[in-house]
Amino acid sequence: IQMTQSPSSLSASVGDRVTITCRASQSINSRLNWYQQKPRRAPKLLIYSASNLQSGVPSRFSGSGSETDFTLTISSLQPEDFATYYCQQSYTTPWTFGQGTKVEIK
Amino acid sequence: EVQLVESGGGLVQPGGSLRLSCAASGLTVSSNHMSWVRQAPGKGLEWVSVIYSGGNTYYTDSVKGRFTISTDDSRNTLYLQMDSLRVEDTAMYYCTRDLRDSFDYWGQGTLVAVSS
Repeated sequence: IQMTQSPSSLSASVGDRVTITCRASQSINSRLNWYQQKPRRAPKLLIYSASNLQSGVPSRFSGSGSETDFTLTISSLQPEDFATYYCQQSYTTPWTFGQGTKVEIK
Repeated sequence: EVQLVESGGGLVQPGGSLRLSCAASGLTVSSNHMSWVRQAPGKGLEWVSVIYSGGNTYYTDSVKGRFTISTDDSRNTLYLQMDSLRVEDTAMYYCTRDLRDSFDYWGQGTLVAVSS
């Protein structure tokens, strides 16, 4: 299953609302996860099963969608949110990731 | 607190072998599903292999027949034996707990460089 994220990168300011989309090449129900990765660090799970917030993740992060189209929203961008975000399908092996969306400071 | 600590990476020539280790604390490797995920320099994430708690193993197509995932209960450690290494296997390799619907715990990674 191919996962396509858009945009590949974006520039935003602190306080902005940011939306990242992820599209699957076939229906994956709600088997979609979002990860955040900062430079030289391991990825961190943010959202699982499309809309469930991982324990300890700030509530400004939210996820939505089903079947083939999914969205990660950051309601008010904070300085620590500048990072690369990846979606990942867990519907069937091989588990596959999107190519990533880099969120940069405007 | 769960900790996953990878080791065993390094520089190896094409065709060579390496064994990566992932020492776990705070969770029992054999009671969990565990995966390896890799990231080539400047690139995105790629799932490599999983070992389920029942012992079944799966691999991405590009490493089938070359990589072997396993666990050692006495050491509470996950392994990835990598043979017939190729330049395109160059990446940071992460071990993760695989919940079958997400990867919730990650190690810090170990770097594998395949070059002549």
